[in-house]
Amino acid sequence: AQKITQTQPGMFVQEKEAVTLDCTYDTSDPSYGLFWYKQPSSGEMIFLIYQGSYDQQNATEGRYSLNFQKARKSANLVISASQLGDSAMYFCAMREGGFGNEKLTFGTGTRLTIIP
Amino acid sequence: GAGVSQTPSNKVTEKGKYVELRCDPISGHTALYWYRQSLGQGPEFLIYFQGTGAADDSGLPNDRFFAVRPEGSVSTLKIQRTERGDSAVYLCASSPYLGNEQFFGPGTRLTVL
Repeated sequence: AQKITQTQPGMFVQEKEAVTLDCTYDTSDPSYGLFWYKQPSSGEMIFLIYQGSYDQQNATEGRYSLNFQKARKSANLVISASQLGDSAMYFCAMREGGFGNEKLTFGTGTRLTIIP
Repeated sequence: GAGVSQTPSNKVTEKGKYVELRCDPISGHTALYWYRQSLGQGPEFLIYFQGTGAADDSGLPNDRFFAVRPEGSVSTLKIQRTERGDSAVYLCASSPYLGNEQFFGPGTRLTVL
């Protein structure tokens, strides 16, 4: 089974609308972390937001929030008030295990295009 | 401050040749990671260092791949007898300590002809 599944290869969203990017994960480890990264056409991976498996509240960072549903094993990224600069590839990633387990496993990504 | 830098930005080589890819982490970051990203895929973990030692090299695909970080700062990824299937973008990342988010460099695009 895939560790990280992103089912939306591409999305088109009107500027200023909110957008939800889907991510489901598969792990049997009770301790894990979930990350979202943005990759513009320049290629650099930009960290957006992190959610730990024991965190009680959903993570938020500015216009980014993570809709964490542990029982469903989903960690969807929500971008509010989308902007043209949000056009990029978005990757969901997971780190399994406790301290010292640093390997990130990435999904295949979603290409988001914001339409003016 | 300066981010993670990688050199060269592009490398074209012929099948069977040896290549070295360099990564300069953010100053003071103790952990350093290498990933490989093939076209249309997410990054794939190769190896990570804590200080000078390789803490996890489980992602290296075979013994043609090797990485070093002799002084706990700059790292070099070495690929021997390159194959066309090695063509990809090689990404380096660093973090100030374990358990933190990883900060990525711009990558080196390797093309094996």
